[in-house]
Order: sequence, then C-alpha cells, then structure tokens
Amino acid sequence: GDSVTQMEGPVTLSEEAFLTINCTYTATGYPSLFWYVQYPGEGLQLLLKATKADDKGSNKGFEATYRKETTSFHLEKGSVQVSDSAVYFCALRGYSTLTFGKGTMLLVSP
Amino acid sequence: GAGVSQSPRYKVAKRGQDVALRCDPISGHVSLFWYQQALGQGPEFLTYFQNEAQLDKSGLPSDRFFAERPEGSVSTLKIQRTQQEDSAVYLCASSPGPVAGPNEKLFFGSGTQLSVL
Repeated sequence: GDSVTQMEGPVTLSEEAFLTINCTYTATGYPSLFWYVQYPGEGLQLLLKATKADDKGSNKGFEATYRKETTSFHLEKGSVQVSDSAVYFCALRGYSTLTFGKGTMLLVSP
Repeated sequence: GAGVSQSPRYKVAKRGQDVALRCDPISGHVSLFWYQQALGQGPEFLTYFQNEAQLDKSGLPSDRFFAERPEGSVSTLKIQRTQQEDSAVYLCASSPGPVAGPNEKLFFGSGTQLSVL
C-alpha cells in the first residue's frame, strides 16, 4: 500500500538557518504530494502541494519539488523564523484519502 | 462557521465507556473525512463521507467504531466499549467537492483528544 517516510525530529535550528526536511514515498500510480503544517493547538493546514512529476510547490518561503525518479518531496526553506516552529507532515493522495508521514517537529530558536 | 469545528476538544473516558465525537464541517462541504492521530504519529484515515453516504470505512480499526452523517452535514464518530489503545486525537476534515481529488483542498478541525483511562 501507499506509505510516506519522513525524517525524525525534532529538528532544532537557529533563526535564519536553512531548513531541509526529507520525505520519500511509496505509491502505486502517480499520487499528488503535500506538505501540511500543524501549529501548537491548531488544526492541520495545507502548506504546499505538487500534483505531477517535476512540479514545485511553494508557499510562505517553503518549497518542495516532486521528484519521481527518487520518489521524494523534500521540504526546504532558505531562512527559517521562530514562527515556523511547528510539526510538518508530508502526505500523498491516491484516489480520495490522504496518507501521512509521522511528522517532523521543527524548533527554531532566536 | 468559518472553519471545521470539533467537540469536545478533550474527552476523558473510563475503559469500557462509549464516547461520541462531533464534527461540524464547513457549511456546504460535500466531503467529510475522519482521521485518527496517535501520539507521535501522523494522522491515519478512518472513514469518508460524500454527503450522507459513507463511501469508505476501510480505516475503521474495529466494529466498535461507527460513524454517521445522517443529513449530509454534521458527523458523529462513536466508539463503543473504549479501550486504552483508542487514546488518540481524532481529526475531522472537509472539502467542497464530491471527491477530494488532487486540486481539492482539505480543511481540518483542531481535533478531539481522547484519553481512555
């Protein structure tokens, strides 16, 4: 079945550091790929998405590129802020349901 | 309402009790999903409704779990004879269209945290 593997956290960075959170997937067909973010006490929010190979999703300075050859969708940001501290989930969608990774906690210190 | 609303926010139950968790999706949203998120894990799919029809319940872990959406809006997830392994955050999500395809956006509620003692 479908599965998503993402790097374990927590990831601890200083403000303005470069961020990478790795995500790889296993799926039949050509799924759509997503990054969701969960801030403390809030619901999951869609951060960005890509629906086909080589697509780049971007939002709020975050980027991720759909790499079919490596089945990856790594999340990157050039300069993180304290306000980016949250849990980040990589996910894929086959037909109707989302399959999530376990989540990676990001902690950014001033 | 402005977003997906879930209640209660927290629920503590004694083992063996029945619980009911409520989800109010965004008005007019056709699709509704329930997910279970155990501590330190990602959300796992439980069930999917299109309007009042439950089209997929393959993720429900046992026959103690039951979900309904009788009028195609509010949904209730019921867990009978709760067990400690049922402790988790239960998330509800809705989307505008009939099938949550790649361009459909899911809107999540903040979840109900269930603790079974």
